[in-house]
Amino acid sequence: SQELEQSPQSLIVQEGKNLTINCTSSKTLYGLYWYKQKYGEGLIFLMMLQKGGEEKSHEKITAKLDEKKQQSSLHITASQPSHAGIYLCGADFRGNTPLVFGKGTRLSVIA
Amino acid sequence: KAGVTQTPRYLIKTRGQQVTLSCSPISGHRSVSWYQQTPGQGLQFLFEYFSETQRNKGNFPGRFSGRQFSNSRSEMNVSTLELGDSALYLCASSQDRGGQTQYFGPGTRLLVL
Repeated sequence: SQELEQSPQSLIVQEGKNLTINCTSSKTLYGLYWYKQKYGEGLIFLMMLQKGGEEKSHEKITAKLDEKKQQSSLHITASQPSHAGIYLCGADFRGNTPLVFGKGTRLSVIA
Repeated sequence: KAGVTQTPRYLIKTRGQQVTLSCSPISGHRSVSWYQQTPGQGLQFLFEYFSETQRNKGNFPGRFSGRQFSNSRSEMNVSTLELGDSALYLCASSQDRGGQTQYFGPGTRLLVL
């Protein structure tokens, strides 16, 4: 089974609506990273969470890590076309190991 | 600071050939990791180099190899290319190893015919 599950796989929202993407780990996380990718391009770093209960925001994007450090959510408020892309969560399980990525959530924002 | 750069951006090869991809990390970053991204498997870790030493290796065949130079630049090589090697190859750099944020390059898209 996958170590890191992302849901939903794809999402179509109307411009101005809020949305949430979830990332669930089968093991306790040392750190959780959120990246955004435009199709066929590199990953853009959004946020990194490390402490249980931690919450970070950047512009209209907020990411949270639960107290048990096994689940994270990414919330976008008042979505815009510029938010469209693939959102990937990456897990650091031991602080000294390569990141394990979820399959990604493809977000489309329609006018 | 300039970001992570990768060359070439696009590459077309035929089965059986070999290919070398290059990655220049962010200035001051000493760790370079390589990932393969395909529609079916997603992002998969290939290997990580730190101070010219391979520190971690993913579950890929020996046809995939890499190295890092003293200036932290890294190359990866794939020999005897197979159709299934068609993918986006991403390089990421971080300041150090262990819990440091990785910053990704734009990737090299390899098509094997």
